Amino acid sequence: GQNIDQPTEMTATEGAIVQINCTYQTSGFNGLFWYQQHAGEAPTFLSYNVLDGLEEKGRFSSFLSRSKGYSYLLLKELQMKDSASYLCAVKDSNYQLIWGAGTKLIIKP
Amino acid sequence: GAVVSQHPSWVICKSGTSVKIECRSLDFQATTMFWYRQFPKQSLMLMATSNEGSKATYEQGVEKDKFLINHASLTLSTLTVTSAHPEDSSFYICSARDLSGGEHTGELFFGEGSRLTVL
Repeated sequence: GQNIDQPTEMTATEGAIVQINCTYQTSGFNGLFWYQQHAGEAPTFLSYNVLDGLEEKGRFSSFLSRSKGYSYLLLKELQMKDSASYLCAVKDSNYQLIWGAGTKLIIKP
Repeated sequence: GAVVSQHPSWVICKSGTSVKIECRSLDFQATTMFWYRQFPKQSLMLMATSNEGSKATYEQGVEKDKFLINHASLTLSTLTVTSAHPEDSSFYICSARDLSGGEHTGELFFGEGSRLTVL
């Protein structure tokens, strides 16, 4: 079966750095996405990786290793507004998005 | 960037009634839209893929007659929850892919979501 694993919840301090991991086992791979979702709102796009390596976009970076079925989202200089759920999703061989359960990130002052 | 608008944001209805949720792509054409359901503290569950001008493709376990999808134009898809019951209460989200932005990104733009409460 297809499976995406990410931690349920993480806590970090304002101004610090946090890394959210995602591992996947899917039938085929056509890209990995990270989305941010605030409570009660729809997800918003953060990043897309299809090749191995690190993609940096401001305070957020996303890394992919296809051979390991692994990705992480790195958030730097954490702000209180970064408190949200972070969803990892993989596009499989049928170009369907398979979603992880999300990681709830709690930022403390 | 591309915008997807969903309406209504909140809806409360009585058990047994039907509720229609609209999903519009405001500045791009979407031949395909996706409908998701999200339970509290859970991930998005794809319900169906809405195809303009043809029948929707439903995921396993999703009742076609319960969740009617119509994609009448390139900018509008509707989800109708028929004979709603309290267990249908959920957060329903639609998304569409703006292909003019490049198929390579495959970025999905999401509507704001519609919170349905069935009494």
